[in-house]
Amino acid sequence: DQQVKQNSPSLSVQEGRISILNCDYTNSMFDYFLWYKKYPAEGPTFLISISSIKDKNEDGRFTVFLNKSAKHLSLHIVPSQPGDSAVYFCAATGTASKLTFGTGTRLQVTL
Amino acid sequence: DTGVSQNPRHKITKRGQNVTFRCDPISEHNRLYWYRQTLGQGPEFLTYFQNEAQLEKSRLLSDRFSAERPKGSFSTLEIQRTEQGDSAMYLCASSLTTNEKLFFGSGTQLSVL
Repeated sequence: DQQVKQNSPSLSVQEGRISILNCDYTNSMFDYFLWYKKYPAEGPTFLISISSIKDKNEDGRFTVFLNKSAKHLSLHIVPSQPGDSAVYFCAATGTASKLTFGTGTRLQVTL
Repeated sequence: DTGVSQNPRHKITKRGQNVTFRCDPISEHNRLYWYRQTLGQGPEFLTYFQNEAQLEKSRLLSDRFSAERPKGSFSTLEIQRTEQGDSAMYLCASSLTTNEKLFFGSGTQLSVL
């Protein structure tokens, strides 16, 4: 029962272009969403989050969009840089406070 | 600024042996979480503590697994009679009670031969 889904296992984007990573969820009780970035042999690092009362949150080059009716969120990275190459995990939480993660999308930013 | 610390970073053991991992959270954080991650999957929730109280355990946490946080500071995760299916990255995270953002350690990579 995968409550948080990232259907694209990998994505390749040229440096300077926009990267768009997508995430879908099924549990209506989720009300807070986060994106984490993970490099090999390291733990996930928090990137950006959004509450269900908002539809957009921006932090520098990173913007997260939330569409509650579609149960869909996306992470936009503009402009993409080679250092952004990593695995990105979408996560969601409700009242329980534990995070439920998706399976991740490997982003490769090419020169 | 010390983050979440996990030891050891790597552990190789033979099937049937017991292993114990340690996690030191960020000092002011009163919530501590254990997750497990296998190849190609996202982190899966195992259990969490608020201070010294273990508030929730996943059904993934079989009887062979036990976690403690005796004084509300560091935590240990023990796996008894390890099986090859236990091979995974074990991640620890901590947070403030009122903040859903989790800070993760670098994990302990367990290989059961």
